[in-house]
Amino acid sequence: DADVTQTPRNRITKTGKRIMLECSQTKGHDRMYWYRQDPGLGLRLIYYSFDVKDINKGEISDGYSVSRQAQAKFSLSLESAIPNQTALYFCATSDPGGRNPDEQFFGPGTRLTVL
Amino acid sequence: AQKVTQAQTEISVVEKEDVTLDCVYETRDTTYYLFWYKQPPSGELVFLIRRNSFDEQNEISGRYSWNFQKSTSSFNFTITASQVVDSAVYFCALRDGGGFKTIFGAGTRLFVKA
Repeated sequence: DADVTQTPRNRITKTGKRIMLECSQTKGHDRMYWYRQDPGLGLRLIYYSFDVKDINKGEISDGYSVSRQAQAKFSLSLESAIPNQTALYFCATSDPGGRNPDEQFFGPGTRLTVL
Repeated sequence: AQKVTQAQTEISVVEKEDVTLDCVYETRDTTYYLFWYKQPPSGELVFLIRRNSFDEQNEISGRYSWNFQKSTSSFNFTITASQVVDSAVYFCALRDGGGFKTIFGAGTRLFVKA
């Protein structure tokens, strides 16, 4: 079973709709992240969370919100989706006390298309 | 500010050729970490290597090798005797030692033709 899962894997929606992308992990890691990937731009950080009570904005948080419902779950919401939010979204986890504290473990990605 | 530059957008080689993917980084921190990730056509991100700023020893793992040179702020990745399965997008990334944000390069798309 995958350690970091994302649902849905693919989603097509319309402008103005509210969308939630979900991430779950079984690795027991405290730190979780949301990134988006656009062609030619690599991955950019949207939000990150160090634990259930700690949520921080990344470099491109406008238009997004997050919720850390539990250590294992970190959801990303688009309150009113717009076409330039069409991208591949990745969730990731890391363990600061682990053997490789700076390694991030990525989910399989969610491909979101906003029409 | 931190920055990662992968100047090669796309590289195309024929199977069995050697290929080097370049990565140049910028940071003011003395402690930092460098990474390479592979993204095959299926889309997932696969961790390849992590290197800290105090360890300039080159590393070899099978057909993969990495050349870390602090003097030129480069962390290049070489695939020896490339194979079709190496076709993917490869990302170089940088994280500072005291922080938590990982900065990714734009990626290099590698095509290996049979």
